[in-house]
Amino acid sequence: SAVISQKPSRDICQRGTSLTIQCQVDSQVTMMFWYRQQPGQSLTLIATANQGSEATYESGFVIDKFPISRPNLTFSTLTVSNMSPEDSSIYLCSGNRDLNTEAFFGQGTRLTVV
Amino acid sequence: GENVEQHPSTLSVQEGDSAVIKCTYSDSASNYFPWYKQELGKGPQLIIDIRSNVGEKKDQRIAVTLNKTAKHFSLHITETQPEDSAVYFCAVHHGGSNYKLTFGKGTLLTVNP
Repeated sequence: SAVISQKPSRDICQRGTSLTIQCQVDSQVTMMFWYRQQPGQSLTLIATANQGSEATYESGFVIDKFPISRPNLTFSTLTVSNMSPEDSSIYLCSGNRDLNTEAFFGQGTRLTVV
Repeated sequence: GENVEQHPSTLSVQEGDSAVIKCTYSDSASNYFPWYKQELGKGPQLIIDIRSNVGEKKDQRIAVTLNKTAKHFSLHITETQPEDSAVYFCAVHHGGSNYKLTFGKGTLLTVNP
């Protein structure tokens, strides 16, 4: 497996502002994903972060709200834009080394919007 | 899309007892079924997984069984210990090259000493 580090681990933000979350993997991975986990809930996939091209978003998530970058095989960022209290959640990054290996997760970023 | 149902939502057992969590899925093309353990304040950690060509897999106190015909798979934890207390999620990969996972809603397992 690989180790995924997310920064920041938590933050409290004012509504209307934006926060960029960083995800760093200690080795190259083929696939990277971003999930949202609302308190006490399951994981919902936001998007697949594609290296060198635009992310692929799931239904209900749009690029203007959640812009994603993935400049190389070990790093990705997720920005939560124009935040509202409804964006308060845990945001998780995950990666797969290749298509037939396990998905491993970062520790998450706990975001509170006030 | 894929629909994953997980039961029970909460499970309380005495230390030393067994715990069983079950998930059902809808897409018969699904081919990979991992289980994750999430402790408070941490990200999900893979504890065991099974692929569609296998009916059962065991790793010490943890086992997973898969019934492809009935489209369900189960996590079995034997000789439970207080440190097994956590939220457990099942997930399903429904084929294709994008390797997306659909997660169940989770089971809060409490092991009472």
